[in-house]
Order: sequence, then C-alpha cells, then structure tokens
Amino acid sequence: DVKVTQSSRYLVKRTGEKVFLECVQDMDHENMFWYRQDPGLGLRLIYFSYDVKMKEKGDIPEGYSVSREKKERFSLILESASTNQTSMYLCASSLVGGSSYEQYFGPGTRLTVT
Amino acid sequence: AQSVTQPDIHITVSEGASLELRCNYSYGATPYLFWYVQSPGQGLQLLLKYFSGDTLVQGIKGFEAEFKRSQSSFNLRKPSVHWSDAAEYFCAVGNNTNAGKSTFGDGTTLTVKP
Repeated sequence: DVKVTQSSRYLVKRTGEKVFLECVQDMDHENMFWYRQDPGLGLRLIYFSYDVKMKEKGDIPEGYSVSREKKERFSLILESASTNQTSMYLCASSLVGGSSYEQYFGPGTRLTVT
Repeated sequence: AQSVTQPDIHITVSEGASLELRCNYSYGATPYLFWYVQSPGQGLQLLLKYFSGDTLVQGIKGFEAEFKRSQSSFNLRKPSVHWSDAAEYFCAVGNNTNAGKSTFGDGTTLTVKP
C-alpha cells in the first residue's frame, strides 16, 4: 500500500515563526501536492511538484514556499507564519499516466498559529 | 478550466437507508472523476474513480457512482448506509493534460442517524 506520512499531526506556532511541514511518500510517485483544508472551502491547492526540484504554484501560494530535493520528500514552508494560516494541511502524491491519477493522502497536520 | 460542485453541504440519513450524494463537474473533454472519503481527523481515501468505459463504477465499502455525460454528473450511491459511513465526502475532477492535478468540490458531510 502507498503510504504518505506527514511529520506532525498537530503543530502550534507563534506569529512570525518560520514553519516547516514535511511530507514523505514511499511509492516512487512523481507528483506531490500540498493542500490546505478549511471548513466550507474544501481543499485548496497551495503548491504542486511533478518532479525533483520542479514546482508549480497552485491556487493559493501566497505566504508559502516549497522544496523538493528528493523524489520522496516534499516540504511546505511558511516563511513568516500568520494567524490566517491556521488550518489543516494535507499532503498527497500520485503517479503520472495511465489510469493512475488518483491521489494518496497523508493524515494531515493541523497547524495553529497564535 | 475544470470545476466541481457538490450542491449538498450536509446530508442526514437513517442507518439502513439508501444514500445519494450529488456531484456536478465542468470540463470540456472526458474528465477523470473521483470520490474520496475523509473520516474525522484523517486524510482522504479514494472510494472510486472513473476514467473511461463502463459508466457505472464500483468502489470500496459498497459504494458505486454513475457517470452521466449529458448531465455532467457523477453521483455517489450506496443502497444501505452504515453508521461507520458518517464522514465527509469529496468529489474531484481531473484530466490527463494538466499533469494529474485534480480540482476538489467543497465536500458533503454525511450524518447517519441510528
């Protein structure tokens, strides 16, 4: 089974701190994604990576950056955390091509910025 | 651009009753369609997917969905709901021209009454 793990389930940070959220997948997937999930807003794509060192902005990239130095690891960085970044963050991965575009999700990180 | 609408924010059904969750999509060509389920505090899990072929697809946990091109719909159904089906359900649309990115609906929360 594909496994996507996220470094923390719960995280509390202070305004202005630099925050790193880590995601690791064990199935050699090309694509990796970071979403944030807020009540009533569904999943919104923050950033997407289709290969090592390759990234593409999603729908809401402002205030975030990402890093993908190895195929299995995709990091989300909040350069200076703000209270409006309090949210659930979900990482996902997928294969490319054929019928394999379904995404596999990690358990999520609930981030609170105070 | 692709988009998804889930018209029902919240649905309540009695245990043992049938269930239908609605999903309408917008995409010019043949879409890839998915239903995911999210239990409280967890990531999303794929229930079923449609790429081509038979328009009635079977998924895990006794769920099925039917692709209707004329109505741009991909409704999820289950003939008899169990209390463990209480969760949030997300419909998603993708295609093979945007590197595997999917667009998610806002979700439908299912409550199951005893």
